[in-house]
Amino acid sequence: SQTIHQWPATLVQPVGSPLSLECTVEGTSNPNLYWYRQAAGRGLQLLFYSVGIGQISSEVPQNLSASRPQDRQFILSSKKLLLSDSGFYLCAWSVRQSGANVLTFGAGSRLTVL
Amino acid sequence: GEDVEQSLFLSVREGDSSVINCTYTDSSSTYLYWYKQEPGAGLQLLTYIFSNMDMKQDQRLTVLLNKKDKHLSLRIADTQTGDSAIYFCAESGGDYKLSFGAGTTVTVRA
Repeated sequence: SQTIHQWPATLVQPVGSPLSLECTVEGTSNPNLYWYRQAAGRGLQLLFYSVGIGQISSEVPQNLSASRPQDRQFILSSKKLLLSDSGFYLCAWSVRQSGANVLTFGAGSRLTVL
Repeated sequence: GEDVEQSLFLSVREGDSSVINCTYTDSSSTYLYWYKQEPGAGLQLLTYIFSNMDMKQDQRLTVLLNKKDKHLSLRIADTQTGDSAIYFCAESGGDYKLSFGAGTTVTVRA
């Protein structure tokens, strides 16, 4: 069966510090991978998605970046965090089945920037 | 997302039916989804519907789609305390992305 892991689960970082959130998927190959952010009281904002190794699409210009060094690994990074980067970050994967693009989400990483 | 809109809050009494509404703007949407998020957790898929369907039923869940009005609803029959959560509506077209609404927080009161 397929599983998705995200870490760390909780992170408190000072403004200006770097960030690295990691996501890995097991039990499938060549998945589509996604990073979403859920800010307090707001919905889900798609940040990045990837359809293959080294292929990253950015949805929102910001000081975050994403990388996919391996087929089932997706990393969200920042060189210098801003207060506005605080939020709940969700990684997800999908493989199209019968046309529907069903996303399966990780448990999330809560980032607080102070 | 701005392309998918939902009311933010719904309060319902235990045992009653809950109806969560959603509207979307993209006429090329081919699939529409409902996800549930419990506190501090990720999202779980509840159900999805293909755009050429009007209704889909799965146990206590009924999804209704009005494609002409671009309106989607989720009805939860016999709402229980465990149904308290945030419910997200989402749509996808021909690409790899899902666009989510802001989520409806459902509170079930005794």
